[in-house]
Amino acid sequence: EVQLVESGGGLVKPGGSLRLSCAVSGITFSNAWMSWVRQAPGKGLEWVGRCRSKTDGGTTDCAAPVNGRFTISRDESKSTLYLQVNSLKTEDTAVYYCTTERTYINGLYAPFGYWGQGILVTVSS
Amino acid sequence: QAVVTQEPSLTVSPGGTVTLTCGSSTGAVTSGHYPYWFQQKPGQAPRTLIYDTSNKHSWTPARFSGSLLGGKAALTLSGAQPEDEAEYYCLLFYTGGLWVFGGGTKLTVL
Repeated sequence: EVQLVESGGGLVKPGGSLRLSCAVSGITFSNAWMSWVRQAPGKGLEWVGRCRSKTDGGTTDCAAPVNGRFTISRDESKSTLYLQVNSLKTEDTAVYYCTTERTYINGLYAPFGYWGQGILVTVSS
Repeated sequence: QAVVTQEPSLTVSPGGTVTLTCGSSTGAVTSGHYPYWFQQKPGQAPRTLIYDTSNKHSWTPARFSGSLLGGKAALTLSGAQPEDEAEYYCLLFYTGGLWVFGGGTKLTVL
């Protein structure tokens, strides 16, 4: 069974930092491209950024609104994806989801096929 | 950053057919945008229905189909069921390797 479990969210003051984690099981993590997606309360989905698989270089891309403030990384030994969020603004308040942007399950291509349950980050003074 | 547009809301009768569309501020949506469609119900994570314009996951009900229509990506629901009432999001790929979501369509089955 594929599982993605986010952790590390909570309440933080504007200008503060957090590190979100996404523990992944049930897939070959080293081959998976992973993305973060967020959703502000009552709003739509917003793609935050990705981390390519180590076999594809492990490089990252981030959307313009968070570029320079958010950093995505991965630890293959722990099958875990991270999102370091710095210089937080009130508009960063959202549920943050990790998802498998590119992965194969039992040989079948399953892009954006698996999602975590989401973790809430609240930025407020 | 490109803007992806969707109908804010649509209503379909049970058993009826409805088409949701997804446009891009940069011009026509093509297969090169690798259009995705997601379904999200309240309190749940999104679920992917369609990828790369028209491909389905193993869990995608057969009544959902994806296509390109008139310069937009389209999601057609044929034979709507009450459980299809949800928010639907499209996702498009842009140069530079970035994804952009549409604002979502709230689908009511009534």
